[in-house]
Amino acid sequence: AQSVTQLDSHVSVSEGTPVLLRCNYSSSYSPSLFWYVQHPNKGLQLLLKYTSAATLVKGINGFEAEFKKSETSFHLTKPSAHMSDAAEYFCVVSERPGGGNKLTFGTGTQLKVEL
Amino acid sequence: DVKVTQSSRYLVKRTGEKVFLECVQDMDHENMFWYRQDPGLGLRLIYFSYDVKMKEKGDIPEGYSVSREKKERFSLILESASTNQTSMYLCASSSPFLGTDTQYFGPGTRLTVL
Repeated sequence: AQSVTQLDSHVSVSEGTPVLLRCNYSSSYSPSLFWYVQHPNKGLQLLLKYTSAATLVKGINGFEAEFKKSETSFHLTKPSAHMSDAAEYFCVVSERPGGGNKLTFGTGTQLKVEL
Repeated sequence: DVKVTQSSRYLVKRTGEKVFLECVQDMDHENMFWYRQDPGLGLRLIYFSYDVKMKEKGDIPEGYSVSREKKERFSLILESASTNQTSMYLCASSSPFLGTDTQYFGPGTRLTVL
């Protein structure tokens, strides 16, 4: 069975400093991995995805994530935080690329960006 | 762009009422999903559907049912609402033919059961 652990429920950074949101996964197969972002009172938006191509994945708004199979990790990073990055972030794993996919979500990391 | 819409952003119902949550997608996606989102628990899958008139239970189907009569529409039904079903409900869709399992989400319905 697949599972996802987001290691921090809350992360607080200053504007202009780097962001690191940590995610570890467990999967019996070669997984697809995603990061989604949810701004207050909004739906989920896809930030980036890994589907067995390049291990360093670039997403929207300057975010990127690196797939490390040996560490079973898929941490999300951004070099310089902006106030608009304040949101909840979800790491997601899917074991069945293609038809009939079923996603497993982490419990979320709330990112706070301070002046 | 894929658009997934949900019939209501906010809904308040009373215990015992029958509740319908509607979801419509405009990208001809085969797969549709219903999740509930609760603080500290992330998103949990209630039901999903791979095709019209087809449904499968997710991780927490108890107290819910679904209907998919048309490809673009997926309904979640609470037969007799209870206070523990107060939550944010999110609908999503995806296509198995795009070579990826990205799901596209609607804005959510925040349901309060009094």
